Amino acid sequence: DGGITQSPKYLFRKEGQNVTLSCEQNLNHDAMYWYRQDPGQGLRLIYYSQIVNDFQKGDIAEGYSVSREKKESFPLTVTSAQKNPTAFYLCASSIAGSGDIEQYFGPGTRLTVT
Amino acid sequence: GENVEQHPSTLSVQEGDSAVIKCTYSDSASNYFPWYKQELGKGPQLIIDIRSNVGEKKDQRIAVTLNKTAKHFSLHITETQPEDSAVYFCAASRMDSNYQLIWGAGTKLIIKP
Repeated sequence: DGGITQSPKYLFRKEGQNVTLSCEQNLNHDAMYWYRQDPGQGLRLIYYSQIVNDFQKGDIAEGYSVSREKKESFPLTVTSAQKNPTAFYLCASSIAGSGDIEQYFGPGTRLTVT
Repeated sequence: GENVEQHPSTLSVQEGDSAVIKCTYSDSASNYFPWYKQELGKGPQLIIDIRSNVGEKKDQRIAVTLNKTAKHFSLHITETQPEDSAVYFCAASRMDSNYQLIWGAGTKLIIKP
């Protein structure tokens, strides 16, 4: 089956630790995205990548970092500099980096930092 | 920058009735408006979209209307069924921001049996 996988589904970390969220896609999509979802708010873009070895900051990139070394993979690191990291994180991909086409989402990772 | 407001935040309708969710946007340059459905424990999934050169689009029980003058667009679901229960998100994007999406806050739709 083609799709996007995110692991793990739930992640717990202590404050001050960096944590990396996994996102893998086998759809052969060029573009990949990371969103943050908080209760009562819409999805907010953290980072996006339109092509391998290139990525751009979204609206809330502070305290996060990404890499895009392979077309299939777009891991997100939540650093200790992120002041409020507890949230639901969604990864998505699309055929190309133009936002006016369908984005395919993974099932998400719920991160809790205490 | 673009801002998208979505109403209501929660909508409860009787099975078989219609449901309408409304979104307004602030940037008149926005030209693409998708609607996504998020079921419990899953990521959002595109259900319908509309571009600014079209006023209405239908797909079976789902329709979207766009009023460019008033800068609002709406999702209409007719003959609602239990499987329509989910959170629905609207979004808007504009070409000069590389079409990156600005999302509404979401509407939790509850279908009562």
